[in-house]
Amino acid sequence: GENVEQHPSTLSVQEGDSAVIKCTYSDSASNYFPWYKQELGKRPQLIIDIRSNVGEKKDQRIAVTLNKTAKHFSLHITETQPEDSAVYFCESELRFGAGTRLTVKP
Amino acid sequence: NAGVTQTPKFQVLKTGQSMTLQCAQDMNHNSMYWYRQDPGMGLRLIYYSASEGTTDKGEVPNGYNVSRLNKREFSLRLESAAPSQTSVYFCASSREFVTGNNYGYTFGSGTRLTVV
Repeated sequence: GENVEQHPSTLSVQEGDSAVIKCTYSDSASNYFPWYKQELGKRPQLIIDIRSNVGEKKDQRIAVTLNKTAKHFSLHITETQPEDSAVYFCESELRFGAGTRLTVKP
Repeated sequence: NAGVTQTPKFQVLKTGQSMTLQCAQDMNHNSMYWYRQDPGMGLRLIYYSASEGTTDKGEVPNGYNVSRLNKREFSLRLESAAPSQTSVYFCASSREFVTGNNYGYTFGSGTRLTVV
């Protein structure tokens, strides 16, 4: 089955800095790569996704990049704000990464 | 537009008791899923239903059963609850499940289950 590894497990940045979270997957047949954000006590919510026919997708301050050859995709958050503090999960073929707890310090 | 609705939100069971978690979606999605979330372990798939009339095991199916009652509803049953099943359970739905080309999930608000 699919194996999904996510790094780092925790990330602390200063407000205004950038944050990058990486996800590595094993199934070469995967073509859909989403990222979810989960605030404390809430449900996960889809924030951005990409399909393998493109290498990068942006939505305001967040972007996802894909390297299909190396089997990894990354979430980039620029100009971080305290409200970006949450746990972020990647997913591939029904499997989720273990999550990255992002803390943005004011 | 409610999205995905789960009941109950909280439940405490004694070891050996049974219960059913209910999930319904109103987005006309074909596929539905049950995940459990434990600290430090992300979300693990229990069962999923790619389409009405089909169900398949996920990563951690032991101790659970599911029923896809119709296109809208997908229930999860614990026949004999064990302390190891203490977790937060999320139901989710997606437009459809296509191996290698899935779609994004919409999650319910979760059920916090404690088995004592």
